Amino acid sequence: DAGVIQSPRHEVTEMGQEVTLRCKPISGHDYLFWYRQTMMRGLELLIYFNNNVPIDDSGMPEDRFSAKMPNASFSTLKIQPSEPRDSAVYFCASSPIQGRNTQYFGPGTRLTVL
Amino acid sequence: GENVEQHPSTLSVQEGDSAVIKCTYSDSASNYFPWYKQELGKRPQLIIDIRSNVGEKKDQRIAVTLNKTAKHFSLHITETQPEDSAVYFCAARSSGYSTLTFGKGTMLLVSP
Repeated sequence: DAGVIQSPRHEVTEMGQEVTLRCKPISGHDYLFWYRQTMMRGLELLIYFNNNVPIDDSGMPEDRFSAKMPNASFSTLKIQPSEPRDSAVYFCASSPIQGRNTQYFGPGTRLTVL
Repeated sequence: GENVEQHPSTLSVQEGDSAVIKCTYSDSASNYFPWYKQELGKRPQLIIDIRSNVGEKKDQRIAVTLNKTAKHFSLHITETQPEDSAVYFCAARSSGYSTLTFGKGTMLLVSP
């Protein structure tokens, strides 16, 4: 299995631009999580899905952030408009329903907003 | 919600020494406690985990202990090696929830 796949790996954009991060979970996993990692705040859970349905988005910082999961093999996290304080590493993770404790992380997307 | 505190934030040891990282949690209903290792520029990877019905678990040079009464758990690494240098995160999952709450991380530096 290729593991969780994220794209792009690096994104540099200017303030005000729209940013879309993509994630492909491990096949057969029912849960998908989006995290943001910064030095100051550590790993923060933004939103998670179960069977493509958003369950808890209380971690989404602002209305500028939105996430979708149109099918079991694809999810997006969108920031519109982006701001410099959104600069961080964004991780996607997935877990199977039977072993839902264990989360497998993707390689992350390093976002820099200038 | 759950709150996880992790100490120390940085830990420097000599190769061959032991390292201990400690975490406390707030929700007595939490029942699953994983540890993740994150090397520089890489993703967090699960290295060991423990459930609330177990007091200790070992896997070669690493072990985790859990004290439910005191609501704390610890990661022990023996015979440390330079390749153990990384950031280690503890986490806790409350019973009935699917999410993990992570500690802030400990940067472990193992000097040759």
